[in-house]
Amino acid sequence: AQTVTQSQPEMSVQEAETVTLSCTYDTSESDYYLFWYKQPPSRQMILVIRQEAYKQQNATENRFSVNFQKAAKSFSLKISDSQLGDAAMYFCAYLYAGNNRKLIWGLGTSLGVNP
Amino acid sequence: ETGVTQSPTHLIKTRGQQVTLRCSSQSGHNTVSWYQQALGQGPQFIFQYYREEENGRGNFPPRFSGLQFPNYSSELNVNALELDDSALYLCASSSPGTGENTIYFGEGSWLTVV
Repeated sequence: AQTVTQSQPEMSVQEAETVTLSCTYDTSESDYYLFWYKQPPSRQMILVIRQEAYKQQNATENRFSVNFQKAAKSFSLKISDSQLGDAAMYFCAYLYAGNNRKLIWGLGTSLGVNP
Repeated sequence: ETGVTQSPTHLIKTRGQQVTLRCSSQSGHNTVSWYQQALGQGPQFIFQYYREEENGRGNFPPRFSGLQFPNYSSELNVNALELDDSALYLCASSSPGTGENTIYFGEGSWLTVV
């Protein structure tokens, strides 16, 4: 069975600094997708970034980038130039590319941003 | 804005009652999934509908049921509500057949069972 592990329940960063959130996963599949979602206090689940497993190039979206290590089954999120609005719960999620499109989630990392 | 809308946003029910939550998927998306997120937890997969058929189910009892309509909107029904059913219920839509594999979420429905 697939699992997703986020080993950092809480993290904090100074405004304008860089922070990295960790995520590891376990799967026997070769075709899958990985996501980072942000959940602010409003509880809306917002897509931050996604990575296709078949792509070697790490995904980037403005200040957000990932370090995808397929062999190590690691998928970390780097937030550069942190802003107060980045404070939220961050979830790492795995999606098998087959028919059953069930997201497998980590327990989340609560990120605080200090002014 | 994801284009996924859910209603109601908040509701309070009494133990033993029944509840129906509704979701309109993003335009063009034919797959809808439902997740339950208890406070302080990650979401848990309830089930998924593809073209009006259930095609995947998580570890939830049969009193959790659903429907998908021809326009791909969906309902989640929960019978015989229990206190532990208090949670945020998230609807997500996607369209895997088009090669677009991103899953978009609505704002959720907060259910409190008293």
